[in-house]
Amino acid sequence: ILNVEQSPQSLHVQEGDSTNFTCSFPSSNFYALHWYRWETAKSPEALFVMTLNGDEKKKGRISATLNTKEGYSYLYIKGSQPEDSATYLCASQTGANNLFFGTGTRLTVIP
Amino acid sequence: KAGVTQTPRYLIKTRGQQVTLSCSPISGHRSVSWYQQTPGQGLQFLFEYFSETQRNKGNFPGRFSGRQFSNSRSEMNVSTLELGDSALYLCASSDRQNSGNTIYFGEGSWLTVV
Repeated sequence: ILNVEQSPQSLHVQEGDSTNFTCSFPSSNFYALHWYRWETAKSPEALFVMTLNGDEKKKGRISATLNTKEGYSYLYIKGSQPEDSATYLCASQTGANNLFFGTGTRLTVIP
Repeated sequence: KAGVTQTPRYLIKTRGQQVTLSCSPISGHRSVSWYQQTPGQGLQFLFEYFSETQRNKGNFPGRFSGRQFSNSRSEMNVSTLELGDSALYLCASSDRQNSGNTIYFGEGSWLTVV
């Protein structure tokens, strides 16, 4: 069992603010880091998969970075919108297709 | 292309009964994995199948079992249900065996044990 931690646990921001979350994971036996966006009553939506140290990925206003040597990843949201409200999950993959998830960061964007 | 499909979406069972949940992966995906989420807990890995073989199993009792068919569809079974088995069960599929590839999730099956 891998200990994947996310912070903060929850976050309220005003519409238009930029925000970021942290995911920390064991750097040993690392294979890939996954970010998901999960809205209530829907399936988790894959945002990014990152494998290489220094990886940076971007999808619209959302971006992510990866540091495999120190075992952390950041997710950034620029200019938050109410539709960004969701739980953001990160998961570490050590090889086979099994993911070890953090407990998520619950983001609420206030109009 | 259809996504990962899980059935049933909601079900209620009584303690001691058993339950079978079904998952149809994305067409062409041969890896299927299962996860459990209980209140206050993150998603916990149950097991993963690739080409009908269980490759990995999480830290769950033997009451939790699964299988995968030749068409990659998968089922998971929980026998002798306990109240603590009440959870959201998510299925995920992937098109590769081992790589940093995207893993796609279904909407889940909500199980309530009374």
